[in-house]
Amino acid sequence: AQSVAQPEDQVNVAEGNPLTVKCTYSVSGNPYLFWYVQYPNRGLQFLLKYITGDNLVKGSYGFEAEFNKSQTSFHLKKPSALVSDSALYFCAVRGDSGAGSYQLTFGKGTKLSVIP
Amino acid sequence: SQTIHQWPATLVQPVGSPLSLECTVEGTSNPNLYWYRQAAGRGLQLLFYSVGIGQISSEVPQNLSASRPQDRQFILSSKKLLLSDSGFYLCAWSLPSGRIVNEQYFGPGTRLTVT
Repeated sequence: AQSVAQPEDQVNVAEGNPLTVKCTYSVSGNPYLFWYVQYPNRGLQFLLKYITGDNLVKGSYGFEAEFNKSQTSFHLKKPSALVSDSALYFCAVRGDSGAGSYQLTFGKGTKLSVIP
Repeated sequence: SQTIHQWPATLVQPVGSPLSLECTVEGTSNPNLYWYRQAAGRGLQLLFYSVGIGQISSEVPQNLSASRPQDRQFILSSKKLLLSDSGFYLCAWSLPSGRIVNEQYFGPGTRLTVT
């Protein structure tokens, strides 16, 4: 079975400071990893994905994520946080083998608050 | 470009009443379609997915059902709602699965409150 852990329910960061939202995963075979963002009472918006290749993936709105196979992690990062980045962030994973691996499994989400 | 619609945006229904939520996708053909439920503003639970017309897979046994009468239409239904059915229902689509791993794109959601 595949799983995702987002160890922090909430992350607070000052505007202009770098931010990191953590994600670790467990899958059979190779992982395909995704980050989504959700604003209040809205659907999820796709930010970026890792499929293969370069471990540093760049996505929308200045976000990037680093894939670390040995640590089974895919942390989301941004060099300088904006107040408008305040939202709920979800990490998701699917594997390339095993039963049900073609479906996305989502983490429980991390609430990011950027303080002016 | 592709767009995904869900309606209604909000719904308040009494316990025991029926339910019908609709999702439609524009600008693509033969998409994979998904229904998720999000409780308490957090984790997403996959309820149903479909890879084609009339093809529905259920992930969680419950009093909900799904149908795909047309290529780009996905409907979530219930004959009798329970209090525990309250939540935020999200529809999503992705390009057909194949050699490329495709991300899912989500609709705006329906807030269902069962009273």
